[in-house]
Amino acid sequence: SQQGEEDPQALSIQEGENATMNCSYKTSINNLQWYRQNSGRGLVHLILIRSNEREKHSGRLRVTLDTSKKSSSLLITASRAADTASYFCAYTGGANSKLTFGKGITLSVRP
Amino acid sequence: NAGVTQTPKFQVLKTGQSMTLQCAQDMNHEYMSWYRQDPGMGLRLIHYSVGAGITDQGEVPNGYNVSRSTTEDFPLRLLSAAPSQTSVYFCASSYGRIPGNTIYFGEGSWLTVV
Repeated sequence: SQQGEEDPQALSIQEGENATMNCSYKTSINNLQWYRQNSGRGLVHLILIRSNEREKHSGRLRVTLDTSKKSSSLLITASRAADTASYFCAYTGGANSKLTFGKGITLSVRP
Repeated sequence: NAGVTQTPKFQVLKTGQSMTLQCAQDMNHEYMSWYRQDPGMGLRLIHYSVGAGITDQGEVPNGYNVSRSTTEDFPLRLLSAAPSQTSVYFCASSYGRIPGNTIYFGEGSWLTVV
């Protein structure tokens, strides 16, 4: 399977702390994206990083990409209870039109 | 702007029945796709389309059919439902033929096959 792998599978932190989630993949990629899914809802796009980029910021989110290690990390700073959700990485590679998702990370932020 | 609309939201089927999950987007996106989401498995691609008249298989296509007669619609057909198809189904779309842009997801369709 070419499916990506996130770790940890579950993360529980206190409000105000930072949350770091990692994603590893197996193929060369064009870009990598992170999505959030609240319980019972669809996925919402958070941020996209292209293969020639190493770091990207969006508000409290910081994404890094290390193509040599085939890995990416998502950092959420100053977490809030509303950040409680599942987070997925997803990527495309080469001329392939398929977007491959990881299995997801469940983040719980305790008030 | 409705985005990606999926219907129905919930459905219970008996084994062997057929049904169609509807998906429509109003953003003039070329790329549309169907995923299923199962516990511990993340999202797995069933079928996708890069434009009207063009469809291709994803990771888990068996038991499903799709067609893309218009840019807006991308229905997913279950030919003969099986309990293994109990899942949450998501339709998604994006601008362009390769999803290098933001993917927009529908709210999901919960399907139970008994």
